[in-house]
Amino acid sequence: QVQLVQTGAEVKKPGASVKVSCKASGFTFSNYGVHWVRQAPGERLEWMGWINADNGNTKESQKFQDRLILTKDTSASTVYMELRSLRSEDTAVYFCAMTFWFDPWGQGTLVTVSS
Amino acid sequence: IQLTQSPSSLSASVGDRVTITCRASQDINSFLAWYQQNPGKAPKLLIYAASTLQSGVPSRFSGSGSGTDFTLTISSLQPEDFATYYCQQVNSYPRTFGQGTKVEIK
Repeated sequence: QVQLVQTGAEVKKPGASVKVSCKASGFTFSNYGVHWVRQAPGERLEWMGWINADNGNTKESQKFQDRLILTKDTSASTVYMELRSLRSEDTAVYFCAMTFWFDPWGQGTLVTVSS
Repeated sequence: IQLTQSPSSLSASVGDRVTITCRASQDINSFLAWYQQNPGKAPKLLIYAASTLQSGVPSRFSGSGSGTDFTLTISSLQPEDFATYYCQQVNSYPRTFGQGTKVEIK
């Protein structure tokens, strides 16, 4: 079964960093790209960036370009999203999603930024 | 590219035909997808390439349009269809989503 499993919820203080993982199973990981999307409470979905699971090339939204780091571990079929210098506005559910058409999705990881 | 959905919310009854529109701020060809999201869950891909039904999605869902104007239609609303629907463009970066349309029970 094709699925993506993300790490559990995180609580961070302003200024800290968070690293969320997304583990793939049921398909050849390196054949695809992985997108990261977040959703703040009551807000629309927001695309953050993309990583090529084969060669590690990335593309980030300009909004996050200086704070967002996308990496991969091919041997573990896992990609990582690190967001630095967290602020309260980064409180959101963070999702990973595979392929060009964003399917499948991970279950989401709630990141709460609070002092 | 900005995507504007209408309406932002609607109330409908089981069995109703429901239509949601999505307008893009520039031509995106057919690079549009529709997603269904239930509270606390990840979005689920319904339609891609504007009109192609994703495997396993009921045939009461259909999509149409190209260029800047797109439509998602649910031909006969079922209880499990009450959710929020989003359009998304994949024509260019950054990928963008519409603001969502919440379909509620009348």
